[in-house]
Amino acid sequence: DTEVTQTPKHLVMGMTNKKSLKCEQHMGHRAMYWYKQKAKKPPELMFVYSYEKLSINESVPSRFSPECPNSSLLNLHLHALQPEDSALYLCASSQVSGTSAYNEQFFGPGTRLTVL
Amino acid sequence: DAKTTQPNSMESNEEEPVHLPCNHSTISGTDYIHWYRQLPSQGPEYVIHGLTSNVNNRMASLAIAEDRKSSTLILHRATLRDAAVYYCILRVPLRDDKIIFGKGTRLHILP
Repeated sequence: DTEVTQTPKHLVMGMTNKKSLKCEQHMGHRAMYWYKQKAKKPPELMFVYSYEKLSINESVPSRFSPECPNSSLLNLHLHALQPEDSALYLCASSQVSGTSAYNEQFFGPGTRLTVL
Repeated sequence: DAKTTQPNSMESNEEEPVHLPCNHSTISGTDYIHWYRQLPSQGPEYVIHGLTSNVNNRMASLAIAEDRKSSTLILHRATLRDAAVYYCILRVPLRDDKIIFGKGTRLHILP
């Protein structure tokens, strides 16, 4: 199973709502990632988890709160978002750097988020 | 991190070979050259990677210049399903988990 699944596929939320994005993989990968992708732009890294611990935060605003409850799951909690946060949110997983010569990242299909 | 430069877009006819160029003149000796592609409405997917020698796999070939300052991704026989944005990325193995995507090349395949 080389699949990364993401739910929901689409999400519409108001600026006062609290919602969560979910990502799951069963490849035994111990590194997981959140990326944000605006229309017609490349993905931008937000967070990296390594062995369920946050290892990289690319100066993301605190209204985005990641969580890695176990080695297969990654969540992104959303609160008080702005319309400019509307984007495709991609999750990825890989082996942890240092455990192989290269660590191919496997991406999910993304959650398309619209903030009203 | 060293940067890559790719054409914004390219066109090719179906069933013909496609050569996608990438310049990386500031590449360091330990940087691997990776290619990912992103099909419409999908997440990126790994295509191929290499260090110094040319590489082949079931999806594509990677030709790396002798001075490593440029590389070319070769799709031997493009199909409509190969229409995607192709990203050339430099990565240092065993260091960190980052992928920094550049702007990529949008490949259009003409039937």
